[in-house]
Amino acid sequence: GQNIDQPTEMTATEGAIVQINCTYQTSGFNGLFWYQQHAGEAPTFLSYNVLDGLEEKGRFSSFLSRSKGYSYLLLKELQMKDSASYLCAVVDSNYQLIWGAGTKLIIKP
Amino acid sequence: IAGITQAPTSQILAAGRRMTLRCTQDMRHNAMYWYRQDLGLGLRLIHYSNTAGTTGKGEVPDGYSVSRANTDDFPLTLASAVPSQTSVYFCASSPGPNQPQHFGDGTRLSIL
Repeated sequence: GQNIDQPTEMTATEGAIVQINCTYQTSGFNGLFWYQQHAGEAPTFLSYNVLDGLEEKGRFSSFLSRSKGYSYLLLKELQMKDSASYLCAVVDSNYQLIWGAGTKLIIKP
Repeated sequence: IAGITQAPTSQILAAGRRMTLRCTQDMRHNAMYWYRQDLGLGLRLIHYSNTAGTTGKGEVPDGYSVSRANTDDFPLTLASAVPSQTSVYFCASSPGPNQPQHFGDGTRLSIL
């Protein structure tokens, strides 16, 4: 079966750095997305990785290792508004998006 | 403002009733999707459409039907609602399968 694993919940301090990991086992791989979802709101797109390496976009970076079936989202200079759930999703061989359950990130002052 | 519009925003429905959730996008995206999101389970795909005139089944299609008569509209119908269909329903669209999906604000549906 297809599986995406993320930690259920993480806590970090305002101004710090946090890394949210995602491991996947899917039938094929055609890219990996990270989305942010604030409570009670819709998911919004953060990043897309299809090749190995690091993609940087402002305070957020996303890393991919296809050989290890592993990705992480790195958030720097954390702000209170970064409190949200972060969803990892993989495009499989049929070009279907397989979603992880999400990681709830709690930022403390 | 371009985007996806879902209606209604929320609904309480008696079990056994028929309900259609509406979804309209104005971005001319080819692909559209319906998800349900339940606590602890993440997003689960109900049905999708890669282009107008075609539809496909996702992970949890039972009890739901869709149609895609044109590019903009992708309604989801519950023929006879059951309490296990209580959930938050999100409609999304994307230019293609490998491109970011844009989500509507969701419909909160409670089946009693």
